[in-house]
Amino acid sequence: EVQLQQSGAELGKPGTSVKLSCKVSGYNIRNTYMHWVNQRPGKGLEWIGRIDPANGNTIYAEKFKSKATLTADTSSNTAYMQLSQLKSDDTAIYFCAMDPGAYWGQGTLVTVSS
Amino acid sequence: DVVMTQTPVSLSLAIGQPASISCKSSQSLLGTSGKTFLNWILQRPGQSPKRLIYQVSKLYSEVPDRFSGSGSETEFTLKISRVEAEDLGVYYCWQGTHFPLTFGSGTKLEIK
Repeated sequence: EVQLQQSGAELGKPGTSVKLSCKVSGYNIRNTYMHWVNQRPGKGLEWIGRIDPANGNTIYAEKFKSKATLTADTSSNTAYMQLSQLKSDDTAIYFCAMDPGAYWGQGTLVTVSS
Repeated sequence: DVVMTQTPVSLSLAIGQPASISCKSSQSLLGTSGKTFLNWILQRPGQSPKRLIYQVSKLYSEVPDRFSGSGSETEFTLKISRVEAEDLGVYYCWQGTHFPLTFGSGTKLEIK
């Protein structure tokens, strides 16, 4: 059974960074793309970007190019997303998902507050 | 960016009634591979999204056959032949043909 287990909720201060993780079990992430998606409170879904864990190649939505950094560790079968220069507008639930949306993590709530 | 327009915004249906959700894209989703990467997911209240359909009409193995997907190019439809209580939540279409990937704004299905 494929499972995506995301790290716990984060409380970050404005201007700081947080790093979220998404550990995959039951499937080798080298054989897929890993996507990250956010959902602001009460809103819809927004695609942040994608990483190919086999070679580290990434594609980002334009608005997240200076906000998010996607990485992956194939030895631990884990994908990561670092969010930098946090602002209140970054408060959201962040989901990881395996291409093409076949499996989703449970989400990580990031709250930005001083 | 490809804009995905979903209608209706919400549906309120009794158990056993059929449901239909439309998803229109601002560009053709037919890729150079000849495949159309239009997917449907369901987000139940308080949960992460769950897969339903990929490449327009292919149901994931665990999805009941009362769900069906159809369409081509820029117009797509998700149908539920007979709504059941477990079908409540927000349905999203999303496209994986063009970067950035984009989602529809969602259709909320409520059970009367």
